[in-house]
Amino acid sequence: DSGVTQTPKHLITATGQRVTLRCSPRSGDLSVYWYQQSLDQGLQFLIQYYNGEERAKGNILERFSAQQFPDLHSELNLSSLELGDSALYFCASSVRTGVAGNTIYFGEGSWLTVV
Amino acid sequence: AQSVTQLDSHVSVSEGTPVLLRCNYSSSYSPSLFWYVQHPNKGLQLLLKYTSAATLVKGINGFEAEFKKSETSFHLTKPSAHMSDAAEYFCVVSVRVQGAQKLVFGQGTRLTINP
Repeated sequence: DSGVTQTPKHLITATGQRVTLRCSPRSGDLSVYWYQQSLDQGLQFLIQYYNGEERAKGNILERFSAQQFPDLHSELNLSSLELGDSALYFCASSVRTGVAGNTIYFGEGSWLTVV
Repeated sequence: AQSVTQLDSHVSVSEGTPVLLRCNYSSSYSPSLFWYVQHPNKGLQLLLKYTSAATLVKGINGFEAEFKKSETSFHLTKPSAHMSDAAEYFCVVSVRVQGAQKLVFGQGTRLTINP
């Protein structure tokens, strides 16, 4: 158990809908990351927050947004969902950021199926 | 740009025999490298990491990896495979981007263990 908690574990929704994925980082970790894992794209970095502020953006679509709250939990919002958004979404956390050797711990992911 | 290439998409070994999962990296500076493992329907678990200390890195579950700068490689090995090692393995390079940390994943190697 990494200490990173993600909910829900599984989610099935229809095209055009909006969903919110939730992440609680490890106790004491200030940095939260979101990754998407799909069969065709592999593991892709979406976005990172550090202590409530956005720090880095990756291949995140405009239909997607995220935020980190004062209690450090984070939410990833996915809207106008398309079939191709079906994927496993990982949240990860680390104590700090900006250090390449920093260890990042992953949650078990949220499986999103768009039908 | 930093990247990793996992040379085998699938490796199959017999239980009790050695495991070798190959990874080459590309980095313009001294990299931080990781191996993560993903068991079926599970999250990503850190096996080991290299951060410019000892070139031979020991990880969990008997795995180790050797950083070879001259060959730009970071191959993962284990002397004797166990059935529980069957999983997907990811070689990862960590990069620092504008004060943030980003992980770049290889495409993964699926390890199958034959009884």
